[in-house]
Order: sequence, then structure tokens, then C-alpha cells
Amino acid sequence: GIQVEQSPPDLILQEGANSTLRCNFSDSVNNLQWFHQNPWGQLINLFYIPSGTKQNGRLSATTVATERYSLLYISSSQTTDSGVYFCAAFSTLGSARQLTFGSGTQLTVLP
Amino acid sequence: SQTIHQWPATLVQPVGSPLSLECTVEGTSNPNLYWYRQAAGRGLQLLFYSVGIGQISSEVPQNLSASRPQDRQFILSSKKLLLSDSGFYLCAWTGWGDYGYTFGSGTRLTVV
Repeated sequence: GIQVEQSPPDLILQEGANSTLRCNFSDSVNNLQWFHQNPWGQLINLFYIPSGTKQNGRLSATTVATERYSLLYISSSQTTDSGVYFCAAFSTLGSARQLTFGSGTQLTVLP
Repeated sequence: SQTIHQWPATLVQPVGSPLSLECTVEGTSNPNLYWYRQAAGRGLQLLFYSVGIGQISSEVPQNLSASRPQDRQFILSSKKLLLSDSGFYLCAWTGWGDYGYTFGSGTRLTVV
């Protein structure tokens, strides 16, 4: 089955610092999505990124599909960035598409 | 634009009581719909998915069932809740083709 591994499991930063979160995934993954789960539990889509690099403000993501990993960069972190960051890999599920989630990175940004 | 609505936001139910959680999507047709559960901790598990009206596939045998009575409506049900059914339930949709998932705001269910 699909394997998705995230590191580090926990990360504590001072406000203003930069960070890199990593996601490794197994074969047969045909796409990748990064989410931020806020303190209220909602999963916010950050990037849908099968390959290449995308940027959105202070966040950017890079996926190297041939080497089966993806990186999420957070620059100039803010306290509102706190929460759990999930990487999730797509696989075909009949006519639908299943997401297999990693175990997440718990990010805490201190003021 | 497309939006997904999920309710209620929180629910406390006694063991043995029935359950009905509803999810609706607006602004799209024939979406793929999904129910996920997040237990204590971080893992999210796919419970059910649907590619059309009346078409339900189950990924994990359990005390729950799902139905899709209308194109953009997905319902998660149980006849008798167990303590182990407690968790955070998330509905999601994807379009046909190369699209990411969009999740609803979730329902936090506590069975007491």
C-alpha cells in the first residue's frame, strides 16, 4: 500500500524563523497535497503539487516525484502558522482518488 | 465558486443512539465525495467514498454507513453508536480530473 512519512513530528520555532518540513512517499503515488490543520480542526489546502515548485506568500512547496519526496518551506513564521501540517498522497481508488495522509508535523511558533 | 458545508460542528451522543451527519457541496456537479475520520492524535482514515448517487464504497468495516441520496449530498449514519465511534469526522470532495481535495469544517463527535 501507499506509504507517506513526514518529518519532523514536532517543531518549535521562534516567531520570524524559517522551517522546512519533509514528506517521503512510496511508489504508485500520482500526486501530492499539503494541508494545514488549524486549532479548530479544519484542514486548509496549502498546495496541490504533483511536481515542481509552487509559492503562496511565505509558503512554498517543492515536489521531486522521481525521488519521491516533497518539501514545505515556511519563511518568517508567525504564531498563526501553528498547527499540524499534513502531507497526503493520491492514489487511484476505482473511479475516485484516495488520499493517504502522513502522520503530520506539529508546528508551534512562539511569540 | 465551490463550497462544502458540514454539520453539526459538534455532537455529544449517548452510546446506543443513532447518528446522522450531513455534508453538501455547492457550485459543482457530480463530485466525488468522501468521509474521513480522525481519531485522537493525527491519523486520518478514509471511511467511505462515492462517485455518484447511490454509489457507496466502504474502506473500513465498522459500525457506520453512508448514503448519497442526491448528487451533492453525502450522509454518514449509524443505527447504534459505540464509544469507539468518537472522533473528528471530515467530509471532502474532488472534481473529475486532476483536482485536489477540499475538506469541510468537520464534526467533532463524542460518544458518552
